[in-house]
Amino acid sequence: DGGITQSPKYLFRKEGQNVTLSCEQNLNHDAMYWYRQDPGQGLRLIYYSQIVNDFQKGDIAEGYSVSREKKESFPLTVTSAQKNPTAFYLCASRRGFGQGASNEQYFGPGTRLTVT
Amino acid sequence: AQSVTQLGSHVSVSEGALVLLRCNYSSSVPPYLFWYVQYPNQGLQLLLKYTSAATLVKGINGFEAEFKKSETSFHLTKPSAHMSDAAEYFCAVSAPTTAAGNKLTFGGGTRVLVKP
Repeated sequence: DGGITQSPKYLFRKEGQNVTLSCEQNLNHDAMYWYRQDPGQGLRLIYYSQIVNDFQKGDIAEGYSVSREKKESFPLTVTSAQKNPTAFYLCASRRGFGQGASNEQYFGPGTRLTVT
Repeated sequence: AQSVTQLGSHVSVSEGALVLLRCNYSSSVPPYLFWYVQYPNQGLQLLLKYTSAATLVKGINGFEAEFKKSETSFHLTKPSAHMSDAAEYFCAVSAPTTAAGNKLTFGGGTRVLVKP
């Protein structure tokens, strides 16, 4: 089955440690996105990538980093510079316009990160 | 730039009653509009989308939404609520272009409680 996988489902880290969240898709989608979700605040865009080896900052990129070395993969690193890293992180992907896209994004199951 | 406002962060309905979730958008160009549903500790699932075709859009699980340009609204309805409809619902907007990474702008979400 095609889809987006995020691992692990739950992640615990000590303050001051960097942590990398995995996102893999086998949908052959061009674009990928990372969102952060906090209670009562909806979804906020962290980073996005429209093609391999290229990515752009979203609305809340400070304290985060990404890479896009392969079309299928878009890992997110939460660095120790992120002041409030505890949150639910969602990865999404979207078909390219050459693939008949209409901008809808498809989401993974999410990773809940807790930093203490 | 686009923005989305969802009226009511929480909605309580009785099983079998009408579900009405309100979404108003702001966009400088004719938008694409989406409704997503999120169950606890899961990712978002696309319910339906408006992409400038029919103004009344039918989605999964018996939901539908009507695009009203004059009111800049895209309200979500379901004639008869089921216990399984208890979830959080997000309205989202994007511009129908390839610019700016085709980002989605999300509303703050509406949590639906279904009473037996």
